Amino acid sequence: KAGVTQTPRYLIKTRGQQVTLSCSPISGHRSVSWYQQTPGQGLQFLFEYFSETQRNKGNFPGRFSGRQFSNSRSEMNVSTLELGDSALYLCASSLVGGGWSPLHFGNGTRLTVT
Amino acid sequence: QQQVKQSPQSLIVQKGGISIINCAYENTAFDYFPWYQQFPGKGPALLIAIRPDVSEKKEGRFTISFNKSAKQFSLHIMDSQPGDSATYFCAASGGGATNKLIFGTGTLLAVQP
Repeated sequence: KAGVTQTPRYLIKTRGQQVTLSCSPISGHRSVSWYQQTPGQGLQFLFEYFSETQRNKGNFPGRFSGRQFSNSRSEMNVSTLELGDSALYLCASSLVGGGWSPLHFGNGTRLTVT
Repeated sequence: QQQVKQSPQSLIVQKGGISIINCAYENTAFDYFPWYQQFPGKGPALLIAIRPDVSEKKEGRFTISFNKSAKQFSLHIMDSQPGDSATYFCAASGGGATNKLIFGTGTLLAVQP
């Protein structure tokens, strides 16, 4: 079974631009979550989608948004990029929702904002 | 109350030794405690997880010890190998309808040959 696939692997953007990151979950997984990983703040929860509905959202500004499609694939968008948005963005999928459902992470998209 | 505190920040262990990483939490609503292993350039990979109704869970060389009254849990890596050198994260979740994880700050483990 293929794992979680994130594209692109690397992105370089300029302040003020917007960016869209893509995530394909493991086949059959219906829940997709996004996390931001930085050296200073560690791994922080962005949002979680289940059956195309956002079920939970972390403490990030409204510039961060996401969506999930009917095939469970997900995208996240960051508008008006700031230097502090430079991070590794990780997508994780799970078979079903629920706190005991193991999360399987992709290898992330490394976003650099200049 | 949503934090998970992890220590030490870094750890050096000799090959064959025992690596121990500790985590503590405050929120008594947490009921799922996984450990993740992350290699450079890769995403975190689930290593082992425990629920608070058991005090210990073992999978191969990896053991989670859980102390519900102290609100602490730890990862023990027996017979540590150079291939175990990675960053380890503890995490906690409140269960229910969401699988949002609160992560610890990570421990960089180096196993010397």
